[in-house]
Amino acid sequence: KNQVEQSPQSLIILEGKNCTLQCNYTVSPFSNLRWYKQDTGRGPVSLTIMTFSENTKSNGRYTATLDADTKQSSLHITASQLSDSASYICVVSAGSNYQLIWGAGTKLIIKP
Amino acid sequence: DSGVTQTPKHLITATGQRVTLRCSPRSGDLSVYWYQQSLDQGLQFLIQYYNGEERAKGNILERFSAQQFPDLHSELNLSSLELGDSALYFCASSPLLGRGGQETQYFGPGTRLLVL
Repeated sequence: KNQVEQSPQSLIILEGKNCTLQCNYTVSPFSNLRWYKQDTGRGPVSLTIMTFSENTKSNGRYTATLDADTKQSSLHITASQLSDSASYICVVSAGSNYQLIWGAGTKLIIKP
Repeated sequence: DSGVTQTPKHLITATGQRVTLRCSPRSGDLSVYWYQQSLDQGLQFLIQYYNGEERAKGNILERFSAQQFPDLHSELNLSSLELGDSALYFCASSPLLGRGGQETQYFGPGTRLLVL
């Protein structure tokens, strides 16, 4: 069964600190992996998209990594800001239909 | 601003009623997707339309239906509403079928539905 699991479920860190969010997937065949940021009550916004051949992709202070062998991805946030408080969702595209499998998200809270 | 618009922003109705949610995709986007997000839950994919035709179906209830019109806007119809249907309903659009490695989905601001 295609699944995407994210950890931790929630995380609280102080402003200025770094953090890493995890995504493990059991999806076959794999097409690509995306990270989205969702502010409370708003629609998700795409951060990165990585294909099988990419193992690192950056978007400002956000850096996503992908290990296709272990089927793991991480999202690293550097020098966190209050505006980084949001849910971060890992989404994996699978199969010939490129079906999107959505993770439940990690809720990140940045405290001043 | 993603360029995807949804109306209404808020909707309050009673159990057993029927409502219609509307979505206008980004200019030029042919695919429209509908998602449901219950309180503190992840997004649940409901259905996708491409250029007027249904392309993929997710966990959509039989009481729910959708369509995409020739001008590419889409409507999601929810009938015989139950308390559990209270949620945020998001529409997203993408240029083509959403296939391949680089095509992303652009989400609208959502419609918040409250069933009393």
